[in-house]
Amino acid sequence: GAGVSQSPRYKVTKRGQDVTLRCDPISSHATLYWYQQALGQGPEFLTYFNYEAQPDKSGLPSDRFSAERPEGSISTLTIQRTEQRDSAMYRCASSFGQSPTDTQYFGPGTRLTVL
Amino acid sequence: GESVGLHLPTLSVQEGDNSIINCAYSNSASDYFIWYKQESGKGPQFIIDIRSNMDKRQGQRVTVLLNKTVKHLSLQIAATQPGDSAVYFCAERSVANFNKFYFGSGTKLNVKP
Repeated sequence: GAGVSQSPRYKVTKRGQDVTLRCDPISSHATLYWYQQALGQGPEFLTYFNYEAQPDKSGLPSDRFSAERPEGSISTLTIQRTEQRDSAMYRCASSFGQSPTDTQYFGPGTRLTVL
Repeated sequence: GESVGLHLPTLSVQEGDNSIINCAYSNSASDYFIWYKQESGKGPQFIIDIRSNMDKRQGQRVTVLLNKTVKHLSLQIAATQPGDSAVYFCAERSVANFNKFYFGSGTKLNVKP
């Protein structure tokens, strides 16, 4: 695609519900990142993928958070039993290669609100 | 639209003036730094990067300066334009964990016409 896309753009859910966020990276990009961005703050690293491998998920806040990229393209971030503190913007980024100096292209984000 | 400017340090400049946005980092092992621009309702956009073996790098209207001694990074924007109004973030990475980037808290730049 022309850029990184994310869906939904906005998600409102009730505490205790599960949510799944989707990221569609730039086609042929090998590396995909998930970030959480609180209002007024910079993005915080959650996890990343090289194709379907997930070498680092150290930023996931708890075991309620999980991410997948089963075919090395589209990725999903799932939050189980959502809590109000999970409310944030969730951003996805992709880069062409595995080199950390490859430019990361960010998507528009999914704004999650947990009531 | 989304507002990422709340609670952020704000720099207001007149159109045509030069802007300097500063960033302090804490990890002396960081070896690669990036500046991002984030406009309202959009994701961060890469502006310029610099490796730790350099102290200055120039792009189009932008210059990044790195002072490793005091762990300080700055972004200079020449002839600031209204389209430069955004939140600017610096990000750092260390050799030990090279795919993990740490972002600063951001500075909001307001350009007055």
